[in-house]
Amino acid sequence: AQSVTQPDIHITVSEGASLELRCNYSYGATPYLFWYVQSPGQGLQLLLKYFSGDTLVQGIKGFEAEFKRSQSSFNLRKPSVHWSDAAEYFCAVDRGSTLGRLYFGRGTQLTVWP
Amino acid sequence: NAGVTQTPKFRVLKTGQSMTLLCAQDMNHEYMYWYRQDPGMGLRLIHYSVGEGTTAKGEVPDGYNVSRLKKQNFLLGLESAAPSQTSVYFCASRDRDEQYFGPGTRLTVT
Repeated sequence: AQSVTQPDIHITVSEGASLELRCNYSYGATPYLFWYVQSPGQGLQLLLKYFSGDTLVQGIKGFEAEFKRSQSSFNLRKPSVHWSDAAEYFCAVDRGSTLGRLYFGRGTQLTVWP
Repeated sequence: NAGVTQTPKFRVLKTGQSMTLLCAQDMNHEYMYWYRQDPGMGLRLIHYSVGEGTTAKGEVPDGYNVSRLKKQNFLLGLESAAPSQTSVYFCASRDRDEQYFGPGTRLTVT
């Protein structure tokens, strides 16, 4: 059974519009949570991470994410999307073992219209 | 400080051929990982290592072998390549709480 779910395979938004990418996980305990971005032909870059504490996390490039324990969600948001944000976004979970293994969602491809 | 590097960037193999992918990191990290990325599948863990001389299987280890003879290097081997191993391969290393990824190797098996 998939442990990390990104329900939206592809999202299209207009430049300047707000964005929310969804991520749900299915572990009992609170895991460590990450969002990565991958531009075409590139590796993965960490946008932000949540381990504990404040449930609203700020990241790079103007992104933020909110952890909601009751919904087992960690959704990524940006108030105003730029054309350079077009990329694939991956949510990942570390279940907190000493091995540090990451479990990835299948990704959401973001297209930005000018 | 180069971070995580991968060699080669691209490779085309014929079915049955063998090859080794090299991952190198200069951050003195203990933990290293090999993932494969396939369309619509996200990244899946192949093998990982928690220190020099140690390796362990991940989620999709079949058809691959690994070695960690030096702390800075993590090698991924394909002994007899199959078309199902056509993929993009990413290496990562980890500090206390974050994984750092290499740029990837695009492998095609015909």
